[in-house]
Amino acid sequence: GAVVSQHPSWVICKSGTSVKIECRSLDFQATTMFWYRQFPKQSLMLMATSNEGSKATYEQGVEKDKFLINHASLTLSTLTVTSAHPEDSSFYICSASGSLWAFFGQGTRLTVV
Amino acid sequence: GDSVTQMEGPVTLSEEAFLTINCTYTATGYPSLFWYVQYPGEGLQLLLKATKADDKGSNKGFEATYRKETTSFHLEKGSVQVSDSAVYFCALTPYNQGGKLIFGQGTELSVKP
Repeated sequence: GAVVSQHPSWVICKSGTSVKIECRSLDFQATTMFWYRQFPKQSLMLMATSNEGSKATYEQGVEKDKFLINHASLTLSTLTVTSAHPEDSSFYICSASGSLWAFFGQGTRLTVV
Repeated sequence: GDSVTQMEGPVTLSEEAFLTINCTYTATGYPSLFWYVQYPGEGLQLLLKATKADDKGSNKGFEATYRKETTSFHLEKGSVQVSDSAVYFCALTPYNQGGKLIFGQGTELSVKP
């Protein structure tokens, strides 16, 4: 299957700082990338959908100024959590799609202290 | 909107027991249906999928059949192993929205020796 690499796999940051998470499709061109958030023992909730070269589409309730998404190329999308606070601590997972199917990254565990 | 409902966990079974995890969905048109598995601290792995009514997805002894008349996609395995302990997510991709996934709440499975 296709490979999607997400980096970093875990990060600890201080409250008020910003954190960038990268999602790369290694062996295919991803026209669309998705960002999900998962709280402990809960399901994955779609945060936003990004298409290469255009602005991301955010799900209802997701602050676009707080969660900045960039999809500048067909192999890379980034999620930046700006001015992070402890309530932003979560597991963030990306997926990349070039056709009908999506492939997931390994996830990033963000802890804000 | 489209949604997925799966049985609540945790489900605790003895090794070699029969497993069923129920999943039902609400969707317009003809969604694709998936089961994903998540091991502790890891990302998601696709377990199996089905794209049209009456399709049966199968992998590693797990199987699920796309039942349009009952809008269900129940996961089954004839004989579980300790290594099957994980969280299982049922998900759908809405019709014509390739790559986007809507997840159920997840069911934790614990298999005891």
